Amino acid sequence: KNQVEQSPQSLIILEGKNCTLQCNYTVSPFSNLRWYKQDTGRGPVSLTIMTFSENTKSNGRYTATLDADTKQSSLHITASQLSDSASYICVVHGQAGTALIFGKGTTLSVSS
Amino acid sequence: NAGVTQTPKFQVLKTGQSMTLQCAQDMNHEYMSWYRQDPGMGLRLIHYSVGAGITDQGEVPNGYNVSRSTTEDFPLRLLSAAPSQTSVYFCASRGQFNEQFFGPGTRLTVL
Repeated sequence: KNQVEQSPQSLIILEGKNCTLQCNYTVSPFSNLRWYKQDTGRGPVSLTIMTFSENTKSNGRYTATLDADTKQSSLHITASQLSDSASYICVVHGQAGTALIFGKGTTLSVSS
Repeated sequence: NAGVTQTPKFQVLKTGQSMTLQCAQDMNHEYMSWYRQDPGMGLRLIHYSVGAGITDQGEVPNGYNVSRSTTEDFPLRLLSAAPSQTSVYFCASRGQFNEQFFGPGTRLTVL
């Protein structure tokens, strides 16, 4: 069964600290993986996309990694800010014709 | 571009009432979908459409109807609201490389 598991479920860190969110998937065959950020009361917004051939991709203070062999992805946030407080959702897409598989998200709280 | 818009933002219904959640996009995307988001459950697909005149069921379609008469609009109808349909509803359209563009959501409470 195609599944996406995210960990931890929630995380609290101090402003300025780094953190890493994990996403493990069993979707096969694999096409791409996206990380979305969802601020409270708003819809999710795409942060980055990882395709099969990509290992690392950065978007400002956000760096996503992908290991297609172990079916794992991570989202690393550097020098966290209060505005990083949000839910981060991992979404995996299989080959054409298959549905998107959503993780349940990790809720990050950054405190001052 | 306004992107994906949804109305209303908030709605309270009584059990048995019907209503329509509106969704529109101005990006000329063929693929649109409706999700519900509940605590601890993540986003779950209700219905989707691959183009005008074509709709199909997702993971949790019971109690909901959709239609797609134009590329821009994709309304979601609740036929007879039940408390189990209390949720936050998101409409989305799909762009290049399967990027989902989500609307701001409708928070629905059924009493």
